[in-house]
Amino acid sequence: EAGVAQSPRYKIIEKRQSVAFWCNPISGHATLYWYQQILGQGPKLLIQFQNNGVVDDSQLPKDRFSAERLKGVDSTLKIQPAKLEDSAVYLCASSVGLGGTYEQYFGPGTRLTVT
Amino acid sequence: TQLLEQSPQFLSIQEGENLTVYCNSSSVFSSLQWYRQEPGEGPVLLVTVVTGGEVKKLKRLTFQFGDARKDSSLHITAAQPGDTGLYLCAGGSGGYNKLIFGAGTRLAVHP
Repeated sequence: EAGVAQSPRYKIIEKRQSVAFWCNPISGHATLYWYQQILGQGPKLLIQFQNNGVVDDSQLPKDRFSAERLKGVDSTLKIQPAKLEDSAVYLCASSVGLGGTYEQYFGPGTRLTVT
Repeated sequence: TQLLEQSPQFLSIQEGENLTVYCNSSSVFSSLQWYRQEPGEGPVLLVTVVTGGEVKKLKRLTFQFGDARKDSSLHITAAQPGDTGLYLCAGGSGGYNKLIFGAGTRLAVHP
């Protein structure tokens, strides 16, 4: 079974530029998550989708971050404009179901450096 | 705001030693998960505990969920270099089991 795919793996941009990350979850997984992991910290949930609907985006900085999951499969996370403090690893995860203790499967992440 | 504090932050030991990593909170969680993350990779789930006082064993790893479901520990017996990595605990709460992660314990096991 293929895992969660993310691209690109690395991205370097200047502040105020825009960037987009792509995630392809495990086939059949209804729930998709985007996390931000700053160096030295644990992952922080940015947004959670159930199929193509948003379940939780309470920690998403909506003035600059946006995410969508068209057709309930792939997802993109966009930052516009980027700030220095956005430098982090952006992790995508998926799970079979919503709630309970469903295992989340993580992709390898996209390491973003904002200069 | 729910927070999970992990200790120690860093641990450097010799192969064969035992160790315990702690995960503490003032909040009650419905579940507690432990992940291991290696450089350049996403976290990988090791175990999920849901019942207060629950103990789970995975080969040389023993996981315990506190009676009040506010804390957890991970004990590794006879550590091996392959155990090296970042160990993260994550507490789940709410109907959607939103995960709150600790900052992690970085373990280095030297041959």
